[in-house]
Amino acid sequence: EAQVTQNPRYLITVTGKKLTVTCSQNMNHEYMSWYRQDPGLGLRQIYYSMNVEVTDKGDVPEGYKVSRKEKRNFPLILESPSPNQTSLYFCASIGLYNEQFFGPGTRLTVL
Amino acid sequence: AQSVSQHNHHVILSEAASLELGCNYSYGGTVNLFWYVQYPGQHLQLLLKYFSGDPLVKGIKGFEAEFIKSKFSFNLRKPSVQWSDTAEYFCAVQTGANNLFFGTGTRLTVIP
Repeated sequence: EAQVTQNPRYLITVTGKKLTVTCSQNMNHEYMSWYRQDPGLGLRQIYYSMNVEVTDKGDVPEGYKVSRKEKRNFPLILESPSPNQTSLYFCASIGLYNEQFFGPGTRLTVL
Repeated sequence: AQSVSQHNHHVILSEAASLELGCNYSYGGTVNLFWYVQYPGQHLQLLLKYFSGDPLVKGIKGFEAEFIKSKFSFNLRKPSVQWSDTAEYFCAVQTGANNLFFGTGTRLTVIP
């Protein structure tokens, strides 16, 4: 079954404690993206990747890092999380016809 | 900068009522257009998409949308909503493989 998986699904952490949200897809897609969803703001792109070792900033990259060491995985890294990064995060894998397959989401709370 | 506007933030309808959710975008070039639905507690799912051809596109669950190029619009419609359509709906406009812009979403509540 074609899918995008994210872990963890829920995370509560404290300011400054580094964390990583993993994302994996089994569709052999080259393009992957990370979004955050906030009430009244819709989804905003954080980072995207066009292929292994090729990443670029989206609309709201501050405070985030990504890596793409292999095609299937695209982890999102928060080196020093802050409360304004409390949000719902979605990873997406982009298919042949540019449609986005979304993961189940990760709800992050930073205290 | 490109933008996507969804004018209705929250729509409340009774079952069997007709639905139309507005979506307008600002971009002069070629676009791909999407509507996504997010049921409570779930991730986004694709309802329908428009790339080219017939501007009236049909999606899953009885939804359809019409692309009107002159109005930069891609409104979502359903002739008769059901309680199970209660969800948040997002319009998205793609101007390139990595340039996908979402609207702020419209919350639909259907009252049985």
